[in-house]
Amino acid sequence: NAGVTQTPKFQVLKTGQSMTLQCAQDMNHNSMYWYRQDPGMGLRLIYYSASEGTTDKGEVPNGYNVSRLNKREFSLRLESAAPSQTSVYFCASSRDRGLDGYTFGSGTRLTVV
Amino acid sequence: GDSVTQMEGPVTLSEEAFLTINCTYTATGYPSLFWYVQYPGEGLQLLLKATKADDKGSNKGFEATYRKETTSFHLEKGSVQVSDSAVYFCALSRDDKIIFGKGTRLHILP
Repeated sequence: NAGVTQTPKFQVLKTGQSMTLQCAQDMNHNSMYWYRQDPGMGLRLIYYSASEGTTDKGEVPNGYNVSRLNKREFSLRLESAAPSQTSVYFCASSRDRGLDGYTFGSGTRLTVV
Repeated sequence: GDSVTQMEGPVTLSEEAFLTINCTYTATGYPSLFWYVQYPGEGLQLLLKATKADDKGSNKGFEATYRKETTSFHLEKGSVQVSDSAVYFCALSRDDKIIFGKGTRLHILP
């Protein structure tokens, strides 16, 4: 019973490099989300997908793109990484647009040097 | 816009002490309210929830009551354990997504 799986768990990038964070859920959830967590800032929503085939910007979308590949998978791409994107990234999913809460992945710790 | 405010930490208590972590919210209508817990190196886990006014959510000895009149959802536990040391997040659901407070770090001393 995997729940929400994120890969990789750790990553170090150089400024200007690109990468894609992967997220997959096996609970048949409709909605998926990407958050970043920074000290003293709590969790801030980057992008979300309320249902398969839709994506919307959250609070801090600049510098990121997303793809809802199918119902299970929701990826986050950094096209040109910057040190300000150093953070812990969490993917989450929900059966019903967050009304019953989220299930979170274990996170990706990204460092941009 | 909608928001969640929770008490700043860290909160340090001795084992078996009574715990309260305050949370207030600003929102129109009747959002669902949540408490999440994050243990070191892990993602957030749903601790409890309440979906309408006067509902009480409870789990693992923790409780919180949805108070519409005071727009509050304070987290309480009668006797904390060292294993409760973690970061606790209050949150509300709004428009297809969840808005989180900044978190309160709790330290329990043996």
